[in-house]
Amino acid sequence: DQQVKQNSPSLSVQEGRISILNCDYTNSMFDYFLWYKKYPAEGPTFLISISSIKDKNEDGRFTVFLNKSAKHLSLHIVPSQPGDSAVYFCAASARTSGTYKYIFGTGTRLKVLA
Amino acid sequence: EADIYQTPRYLVIGTGKKITLECSQTMGHDKMYWYQQDPGMELHLIHYSYGVNSTEKGDLSSESTVSRIRTEHFPLTLESARPSHTSQYLCASSDMRGGKQFFGPGTRLTVL
Repeated sequence: DQQVKQNSPSLSVQEGRISILNCDYTNSMFDYFLWYKKYPAEGPTFLISISSIKDKNEDGRFTVFLNKSAKHLSLHIVPSQPGDSAVYFCAASARTSGTYKYIFGTGTRLKVLA
Repeated sequence: EADIYQTPRYLVIGTGKKITLECSQTMGHDKMYWYQQDPGMELHLIHYSYGVNSTEKGDLSSESTVSRIRTEHFPLTLESARPSHTSQYLCASSDMRGGKQFFGPGTRLTVL
């Protein structure tokens, strides 16, 4: 059973418009959520995170929103740029048996069209 | 800029060979992790370590083994590679539990 789900495998957005990437989770014990960006042949790069005690975190063009009641988080990129084209993974962590584990979604491939 | 390195970046080997994937970080992080990822799939945790001489298996069962003799070094070994081990292997480190992880560039392993 997948605890972190990214239901859209791909997304295309016009340059300058907003990109919205979504992520749903099932485990209410998750207390920290992260977004990573991954280019081909490279490892994931951390983008932005949010603690479960917050509902919004903003960093430049990137904003993450957390809706705990819906167990849903989203990443907004505005304005979108061609260099944002990559695969985006959401991840969640929870303390399990004394250790923190990270659970990743399957990723959403974002393509920003010039 | 993350200072975490993996070698080799690409490896093609025959069945039955012993291989070691190297991972090193210069950030002094206590926590290190190995993930396995197949195309279009999520990252699966296969090993982690919270410090020297500490290693644990992750959620995804793996025939690989790891060691953590030095803080900066977390190699992964496959004693006898098989085609089912073909995948991308990603190493990561973090400086606090539950905090962000820094990833290496990955090793893409192909076993013929």
